[in-house]
Amino acid sequence: DTGVSQDPRHKITKRGQNVTFRCDPISEHNRLYWYRQTLGQGPEFLTYFQNEAQLEKSRLLSDRFSAERPKGSFSTLEIQRTEQGDSAMYLCASSSEGISPLHFGNGTRLTVT
Amino acid sequence: DAKTTQPTSMDCAEGRAANLPCNHSTISGNEYVYWYRQIHSQGPQYIIHGLKNNETNEMASLIITEDRKSSTLILPHATLRDTAVYYCIVRVALGSARQLTFGSGTQLTVLP
Repeated sequence: DTGVSQDPRHKITKRGQNVTFRCDPISEHNRLYWYRQTLGQGPEFLTYFQNEAQLEKSRLLSDRFSAERPKGSFSTLEIQRTEQGDSAMYLCASSSEGISPLHFGNGTRLTVT
Repeated sequence: DAKTTQPTSMDCAEGRAANLPCNHSTISGNEYVYWYRQIHSQGPQYIIHGLKNNETNEMASLIITEDRKSSTLILPHATLRDTAVYYCIVRVALGSARQLTFGSGTQLTVLP
């Protein structure tokens, strides 16, 4: 079990640019989640996949955000036309079925200048 | 999912037990109590969860009151590395995949 892996760990971009983050979940986990965390706050849910199907999206996930999990394994989160308010830690988590706990990666810290 | 209330911050002496309280007075019968912690610049780390019985693992113990309206996470011998934000979360788990809803948590500082 190598845990949930996220890449990159840090990303600095200029306002208006597009960015893409990658998440590799624990291999046997069929559920994958994206969260966003700003300074001093707890993580906020963005979206959830079961296998390759995106089953739930938060209203925080604006039209500029898109997430995919094409083969039910790794996932990508893309932010188009970044804004300074997008600066945050983006966390990925995975779990198996039922009451299994979510296991989080160490996140990608995005800074939009 | 039910809301939780936790103290904003707590201190604990190294080597002593840390007892972190959580109120969840509106918890439903099918909601579990989960505890996570987050060390600075890392992702949240799962600690323990339970429904109604007390639970213990290698990291901590979880004590849930009989009416299930509150719980306490116990770190039996706190170390400096236990300094973190601790989140208490209640979550429905009916075979569906409800996301965890984090509050602001408790900042635990273990003092030397």
